[in-house]
Amino acid sequence: QKEVEQNSGPLSVPEGAIASLNCTYSDRGSQSFFWYRQYSGKSPELIMSIYSNGDKEDGRFTAQLNKASQYVSLLIRDSQPSDSATYLCAVRPYTGGFKTIFGAGTRLFVKA
Amino acid sequence: DGGITQSPKYLFRKEGQNVTLSCEQNLNHDAMYWYRQDPGQGLRLIYYSQIVNDFQKGDIAEGYSVSREKKESFPLTVTSAQKNPTAFYLCASRGPGTANQPQHFGDGTRLSIL
Repeated sequence: QKEVEQNSGPLSVPEGAIASLNCTYSDRGSQSFFWYRQYSGKSPELIMSIYSNGDKEDGRFTAQLNKASQYVSLLIRDSQPSDSATYLCAVRPYTGGFKTIFGAGTRLFVKA
Repeated sequence: DGGITQSPKYLFRKEGQNVTLSCEQNLNHDAMYWYRQDPGQGLRLIYYSQIVNDFQKGDIAEGYSVSREKKESFPLTVTSAQKNPTAFYLCASRGPGTANQPQHFGDGTRLSIL
């Protein structure tokens, strides 16, 4: 089992819809969770951090964390074509010290 | 303004050649990291450093070497022992404090074999 798993996609949604991106992780003691957006040929850009169970909202983005189910998700409301990118889930394991484990990413396409 | 600068943006390596990728940050961060990304793949950790003059191997350190002589600099050398060096290399740093601090990335260096 991979430490951080994401569906590789592609996930295709129409403009204006809600895009839902999911991530599961294996280290039950993990404390910190991050979502990065990576446009093709570019470096990852942090868009959300979440540390406690529940929802955290920032503009059109909502991160959801459920530590009991070892599951973290990212919702993008009112999806725009400019949201088309690969979204990387990242987890800092309890045992990882200074390491962060990245998932392989989910490709999102928003159709105009 | 503060950030992480990687250079060069593109680099070509000949057979048997060592090449060095530069990473400089002016964020006053203690922790720095090097990742490799292959097409359609996630990020794989090569080396990381928590403090000056100290660094640890990541998951794929073979064929790579690093140094951390200054807080702001963490260069990565891709040696001739790395037989498949073609990839996108990303440098990151992380601020001090708790584990809640996220990593931030430079713009990356794309390395290819001539």
